[in-house]
Formats: sequence, structure tokens, C-alpha cells
Amino acid sequence: EPEVTQTPSHQVTQMGQEVILRCVPISNHLYFYWYRQILGQKVEFLVSFYNNEISEKSEIFDDQFSVERPDGSNFTLKIRSTKLEDSAMYFCASRRTDQNTGELFFGEGSRLTVL
Amino acid sequence: KNEVEQSPQNLTAQEGEFITINCSYSVGISALHWLQQHPGGGIVSLFMLSSGKKKHGRLIATINIQEKHSSLHITASHPRDSAVYICAAVNYGQNFVFGPGTRLSVLP
Repeated sequence: EPEVTQTPSHQVTQMGQEVILRCVPISNHLYFYWYRQILGQKVEFLVSFYNNEISEKSEIFDDQFSVERPDGSNFTLKIRSTKLEDSAMYFCASRRTDQNTGELFFGEGSRLTVL
Repeated sequence: KNEVEQSPQNLTAQEGEFITINCSYSVGISALHWLQQHPGGGIVSLFMLSSGKKKHGRLIATINIQEKHSSLHITASHPRDSAVYICAAVNYGQNFVFGPGTRLSVLP
């Protein structure tokens, strides 16, 4: 069964360092998402991506965050200068079609710990 | 801004019981998802609804668009159903608003 894969599964970094989280969506999917979940809190939407551009982003997704799809398969989330409060589980998800028909498939998550 | 609420926050049931988890949202949506988050953290999509009712095995999801309310039912619950169940409302865009989750424990 096709699946969304994320790497790394866990990353520990120092505050102020840049982090890149990688995702490989399901191959025929067209819509891509990043979410985050701070420990003990609810899942939060960060950004959606379609047709090689951001289609929507939340208030959380400020200038220190960026996404790109560099090679047609990977979908990356970059955090430019990490802060302690960026520590969370980051989930990538993809779907084939738009919001009215497409089931959402999640990766297993990347746990980011900022020290 | 859409607010998504769930009840109950925590639920403990005995194996075999019928379980209902409720979700309400404050503004109109294009679809609503029910998700299951395993103890290890992984998230699996259970249902996507824009109207009516869907059934998959022992799981049933319903939505009432007029009342801005959805329910997830589990029949003949089993300990392996223990997880956090999350509803997520999709606005008329691609922005998902997640509920806080309902932690379900099914005891043998």
C-alpha cells in the first residue's frame, strides 16, 4: 500500500540552527501539507502546497518557515533559525484530489527537539 | 475563525461497548475528517465526510451540516481501538482546523 514517508524520524538541534524535514508524498498525489503537534496539544495546520506553490498557510507559518518541492518527489519543510517552541512532532500529509473527495494520508511524523 | 470542539475529552469503555465521540464546529465547512492517532503518534485517516453517513467495518461516521455537528461511533469496541480520535474541519480552502482529540481507552 502506498504511504507517505518522512525523514528524519527524530532530530535534535540547537536553538538557532536550521532544520530541514523531508517528506515523500504518495506519487500520484497533488496536494501536500505540513502540520505540527506540540507535545500534549492538538494538531495544528502549518501550510498547504499545490501546483508548486503555497495555497494556504496559518499564522504559525511565519518567515522562519519555508516549503519547497525541489525535485518532484520530495516535499521539504525548512525552519531557518529554530526556537525552543519549535519543538514538536511535524507531520506531512498528502492527498490526490481536492477537499471534497480526497482522503488525507499522513506520514509517521518527524519529532523535532530544540535545545 | 473556525473553532472545533470534541466531547468527551477522555473516554474509558469496556470491551464490547458502543462508543460515540462528538465533534462540533462553528463555521461552514467543505468537509470533515475523522482521524485516529495511535499511542506512538502516527495518524491515520478514518473518514472524510461532506454529508450524511459513512461506514467502515465497526466504525460509523455521521455529519449534520445544518447543526455543524459530526459523530463517530464504534460498535463492539475492542482494546485495539484505544487511541486518540481527532476530528478536523476543512474550510473552503485547504486549511484544516483540528479538534483537541478524544482519548479512548477500551478495557478488556
